[in-house]
Amino acid sequence: QKEVEQNSGPLSVPEGAIASLNCTYSDRGSQSFFWYRQYSGKSPELIMSIYSNGDKEDGRFTAQLNKASQYVSLLIRDSQPSDSATYLCAVKVLNYGGSQGNLIFGKGTKLSVKP
Amino acid sequence: DADVTQTPRNRITKTGKRIMLECSQTKGHDRMYWYRQDPGLGLRLIYYSFDVKDINKGEISDGYSVSRQAQAKFSLSLESAIPNQTALYFCATSGGTNYGYTFGSGTRLTVV
Repeated sequence: QKEVEQNSGPLSVPEGAIASLNCTYSDRGSQSFFWYRQYSGKSPELIMSIYSNGDKEDGRFTAQLNKASQYVSLLIRDSQPSDSATYLCAVKVLNYGGSQGNLIFGKGTKLSVKP
Repeated sequence: DADVTQTPRNRITKTGKRIMLECSQTKGHDRMYWYRQDPGLGLRLIYYSFDVKDINKGEISDGYSVSRQAQAKFSLSLESAIPNQTALYFCATSGGTNYGYTFGSGTRLTVV
């Protein structure tokens, strides 16, 4: 069973703080990792992708990947109330949906940024 | 216009009725997906298609069927709707193995 695990939260941080969101996955062969942001009642929006060990920065967002520990994280610096949403971790699993692979999504972590 | 368009946006239907949810995309992607999202259960894959002649079941395909009418169109049907199919349904597309998915705006379906 391929799994992607996230703490459901809610994670509450004050405005201006760093929010840290974590994700673990079970398939050691996974190669592609994604973070989505989903506002209540809206569709998931891709915000970050990462494929190699280490950090990848895009504006206030940093994705971190450690394949040996099967761990992906998302850091949001200078958190704003508009960042309040559910963040979904997604992992491309090669044996899920044949050799070409499909994404498996975690259930998401709800982030609340307090003014 | 949105890259991935779902119709209808909201639908209330009665138990036993047949209903079709439609998805069209302008991204030129070959891969299309149907997911449902339920509180506490996350996104679950119903069906997916890698090209017009390719249809595959996901983890929760029972009670659903799909049709890939063209590269740009992928429809989901509930042959005989039941109340536990009440959910938020998303269509998504992907440009290839190493790409993420682009989601449509979703269809909120209520079966009464």
